[in-house]
Amino acid sequence: DAGVTQSPTHLIKTRGQQVTLRCSPKSGHDTVSWYQQALGQGPQFIFQYYEEEERQRGNFPDRFSGHQFPNYSSELNVNALLLGDSALYLCASSLTGAPLHFGNGTRLTVT
Amino acid sequence: SQQGEEDPQALSIQEGENATMNCSYKTSINNLQWYRQNSGRGLVHLILIRSNEREKHSGRLRVTLDTSKKSSSLLITASRAADTASYFCATDAGTDKLIFGTGTRLQVFP
Repeated sequence: DAGVTQSPTHLIKTRGQQVTLRCSPKSGHDTVSWYQQALGQGPQFIFQYYEEEERQRGNFPDRFSGHQFPNYSSELNVNALLLGDSALYLCASSLTGAPLHFGNGTRLTVT
Repeated sequence: SQQGEEDPQALSIQEGENATMNCSYKTSINNLQWYRQNSGRGLVHLILIRSNEREKHSGRLRVTLDTSKKSSSLLITASRAADTASYFCATDAGTDKLIFGTGTRLQVFP
């Protein structure tokens, strides 16, 4: 039974570019959440998707957007990349009210 | 923004010793969870304690929760080198949105 898978594992982009990160949830999970983790910090909540709708959003600008597909997989899009967007982006899946299962993340470097 | 603080920020101990890390948070919660993160990888859920519980055990882990002080502690007994990792507390106000603390980096020396 595969857990949460994220792609790509590493990515290097230039300021101003756009990036799309992908996540496949653990089998049976219907909720996908995205977190940003800066070096040496705890993960910060970006947003959560359930039934293909954004259910909750953290304190992130509109440059951060997402999507959930009918098979529950999800994408995180970031436009107009800034140097400060460099971080580990974590996807987590769950059932409502249950603990999160995390993927190993995508390390994004913006130069 | 982070929900709260964890202390210590870093902890170094010998194998066999106990490790205690503390977490403070700011708002009312439905439950509090502890996660472990090995370097540069995803987080692994360790234990969940609900707001109406005061103590919970799971194997070598013991978690306490004091909602009046808005604080929790995680005790790892008889630590092993494999316990070396960062440990995060995370609070859930009942919305399935987890707010993580700043983390404690634990180093266990053989």
